[in-house]
Amino acid sequence: QVQLQESGPGLVKPSQTLSLTCTVSGDSISSGDYYWSWIRQPPGKGLEWIGYISRSGSAYYNPSLKSRVTVSIDTSRNQFFLRVTSVTVADTAVYFCARALFRGYQLLNFDYWGPGILVTVSS
Amino acid sequence: IQLTQSPSFLSASVGDRVTITCRASQGIRSYLAWYQQKPGKAPKLLIYSAFTLQSGVPSRFSGSGSGTEFTLTISSLQPEDFATYYCQQVNNYPLTFGGGTKVEI
Repeated sequence: QVQLQESGPGLVKPSQTLSLTCTVSGDSISSGDYYWSWIRQPPGKGLEWIGYISRSGSAYYNPSLKSRVTVSIDTSRNQFFLRVTSVTVADTAVYFCARALFRGYQLLNFDYWGPGILVTVSS
Repeated sequence: IQLTQSPSFLSASVGDRVTITCRASQGIRSYLAWYQQKPGKAPKLLIYSAFTLQSGVPSRFSGSGSGTEFTLTISSLQPEDFATYYCQQVNNYPLTFGGGTKVEI
């Protein structure tokens, strides 16, 4: 059973950098046709895809955040990471990591999710 | 691609048949997924590729549609089904979600 777990600071000051880690267990992050994704959800609101990365390091981002976001991966530690620079209060959200399942070149779904971590941007 | 879910809120009773609609602003073939989210929890995958039931999901959940109009149907609502449901398109970047449908008692 694949499990994902987010970790990182729960409080970040405005203009600083938000950094999160997702640790994958139950399977190798290098195996299979998967991309490793970040999604966020502001309190009381809907879901927003941030970006994802393949095991080889190919990354795709939501243009709404692209200039401030970096997703990276460390296959030796079975972890992937999110960095968001120059944060504002609008970046306050629950951040989820998830596994994105591909069949060939076609993305099908996000089949496994971490429980999420609340990150608050406040001075 | 914008996804518009309707209704945004739905009041229903145990045993009811419930249908939620998701409309895409342009065609997405059959590349639509449905998720269920309960308060304080991560979304759970229910259906992908418009109508394929994820392993372990009860058969009272079903999906249909293609192109721009899709539906999620719960044939007989159970107490554990009261939650918020989201559609997601995976045909084009950026990947997008609908605004959600909250199913309440």
